[in-house]
Amino acid sequence: QQQVKQSPQSLIVQKGGISIINCAYENTAFDYFPWYQQFPGKGPALLIAIRPDVSEKKEGRFTISFNKSAKQFSLHIMDSQPGDSATYFCAASNNQGGKLIFGQGTELSVKP
Amino acid sequence: GAVVSQHPSWVICKSGTSVKIECRSLDFQATTMFWYRQFPKQSLMLMATSNEGSKATYEQGVEKDKFLINHASLTLSTLTVTSAHPEDSSFYICSARGTGGFYGYTFGSGTRLTVV
Repeated sequence: QQQVKQSPQSLIVQKGGISIINCAYENTAFDYFPWYQQFPGKGPALLIAIRPDVSEKKEGRFTISFNKSAKQFSLHIMDSQPGDSATYFCAASNNQGGKLIFGQGTELSVKP
Repeated sequence: GAVVSQHPSWVICKSGTSVKIECRSLDFQATTMFWYRQFPKQSLMLMATSNEGSKATYEQGVEKDKFLINHASLTLSTLTVTSAHPEDSSFYICSARGTGGFYGYTFGSGTRLTVV
């Protein structure tokens, strides 16, 4: 119940294309769903996050789509750039327990 | 914005020795600190959660006597890997949450531990 399942494991996108990464969760108590970007040898950095009271949130080229009934959420990266090449993690937590549970990660490679 | 400083960024130690990793919240009070471990090409695995002034809560399978966590102040938490062995070599990352309401999670830059 604490798991967050993420797919795909790896993704190759052409420059200018759209990168889409999906996550699914089981625990309905989760109420915070962030996405992190991690470069090799660095800690994860928050990209964008959403609460379950909205279905979509957009910040620049990054959009989270959230489907509460399906218990799924996804990250869309528009106009993908080579600099976006990194590992992306979805995560989930609830405000009560506080633990942030991570998905398995997606290694994104944007080809020039 | 919220900043968490983690030191050292990398450390090499001999098998059998202990290593201490520090995590400091620079511009906010961190009531809760989380410690993660990450192996190459894998996700972050939560090791333990600590609240300021309290004993840490360890995840199942994590040896609390091996990974000592101290959270004595609202701005500092430490992870000590005791009697380190090569299998403890990993990337250790801390994360902090602030006081009052929901502030999200701020991550440190990580510590690469190599035990030789």
